[in-house]
Amino acid sequence: NAGVTQTPKFRILKIGQSMTLQCTQDMNHNYMYWYRQDPGMGLKLIYYSVGAGITDKGEVPNGYNVSRSTTEDFPLRLELAAPSQTSVYFCASRVTSTNEKLFFGSGTQLSVL
Amino acid sequence: DQQVKQNSPSLSVQEGRISILNCDYTNSMFDYFLWYKKYPAEGPTFLISISSIKDKNEDGRFTVFLNKSAKHLSLHIVPSQPGDSAVYFCAASADNFNKFYFGSGTKLNVKP
Repeated sequence: NAGVTQTPKFRILKIGQSMTLQCTQDMNHNYMYWYRQDPGMGLKLIYYSVGAGITDKGEVPNGYNVSRSTTEDFPLRLELAAPSQTSVYFCASRVTSTNEKLFFGSGTQLSVL
Repeated sequence: DQQVKQNSPSLSVQEGRISILNCDYTNSMFDYFLWYKKYPAEGPTFLISISSIKDKNEDGRFTVFLNKSAKHLSLHIVPSQPGDSAVYFCAASADNFNKFYFGSGTKLNVKP
């Protein structure tokens, strides 16, 4: 059972480039989340989804887009990368509305230079 | 504005002693609190949680205490072990659980 899988683990982007961070879970969880963690800071919620076809903004959505076409996948898109988006990105999932436990992937370390 | 705060970036404790990690929050609507543990190059993993209707929850060596009037919670680890060395995040949620707000983390070092 793989859990939550994120790819790639590391990536360096040039300013203005675009990329998609992939996240897939094999636990049939309805809820999925994208967080970013800046050095010395807590995890900030970027976007979340309560099910296929439904997404909503979190605390820091600017500069990002998401889609949720299947239960398993929740990709995060950066359209015009900026140095402020240098961070570690974590994807997480949760099974139901009454179960509070989040399961996290191992993260993607992104540098924008 | 950070709604969940962990004011101690680091804590060092001797093996076998008690580790106490603290967390404060500002939003009185939070009614569920969680602790996560994170090792380097891994994602956070769930450790223990507490609902606002309780003031204490225990799970083995880990106990979480909640003081609603002070908007404060703490995680006690007794006895501390070197394998407990990690970053610990406090998190809080309102009743819909859609959003979880995290503190900045406390790096615990348990010395042998």
